[in-house]
Amino acid sequence: ELKVEQNPLFLSMQEGKNYTIYCNYSTTSDRLYWYRQDPGKSLESLFVLLSNGAVKQEGRLMASLDTKARLSTLHITAAVHDLSATYFCAVDRDSNYQLIWGAGTKLIIKP
Amino acid sequence: DVKVTQSSRYLVKRTGEKVFLECVQDMDHENMFWYRQDPGLGLRLIYFSYDVKMKEKGDIPEGYSVSREKKERFSLILESASTNQTSMYLCASRPDRGLDEQYFGPGTRLTVT
Repeated sequence: ELKVEQNPLFLSMQEGKNYTIYCNYSTTSDRLYWYRQDPGKSLESLFVLLSNGAVKQEGRLMASLDTKARLSTLHITAAVHDLSATYFCAVDRDSNYQLIWGAGTKLIIKP
Repeated sequence: DVKVTQSSRYLVKRTGEKVFLECVQDMDHENMFWYRQDPGLGLRLIYFSYDVKMKEKGDIPEGYSVSREKKERFSLILESASTNQTSMYLCASRPDRGLDEQYFGPGTRLTVT
């Protein structure tokens, strides 16, 4: 079965702390996508990871991909309240341009 | 910038009504998608289109149909709306280049009463 598992599904943390969200997947995809969703809003692309060992950083967020372990991580450094959102990871489903989605990680950062 | 627009941000319909949700993208993308999103269930694919007049069922097509008469427009149709179709509906598009992600519209929150 093709699946993408994120954990944790819910994370409440204090500002200034570091934390990591994990995304495990069962396909042989070598591409992985991270999206952010604010409450009541649509999804916004954060990172596109295209190969094994890929690392991308934007501000306090850093994403990495290990295709051999079928694992991606989204690391948050010195969290700030503005990063509160739900974060989704997704991988390609074979070759028909569909994505398989994780369930999302709801992140709450308390001031 | 890629732009994906949806016809309504909020919609309230009555049970049994026929409902049309429209999605338009301006980047000449071949692939378009309709998802619904419900609390605790993540994103679920309803239908997918990879070309004009071409469509494929997603994971939850029951109660829905789609139409793609022009490349830029992908419509989702609820033939007879039911209360269990109350949800957030998200449209997305993606080019055939394959390395790009899916680009999402703002979403339509549909309430069926």
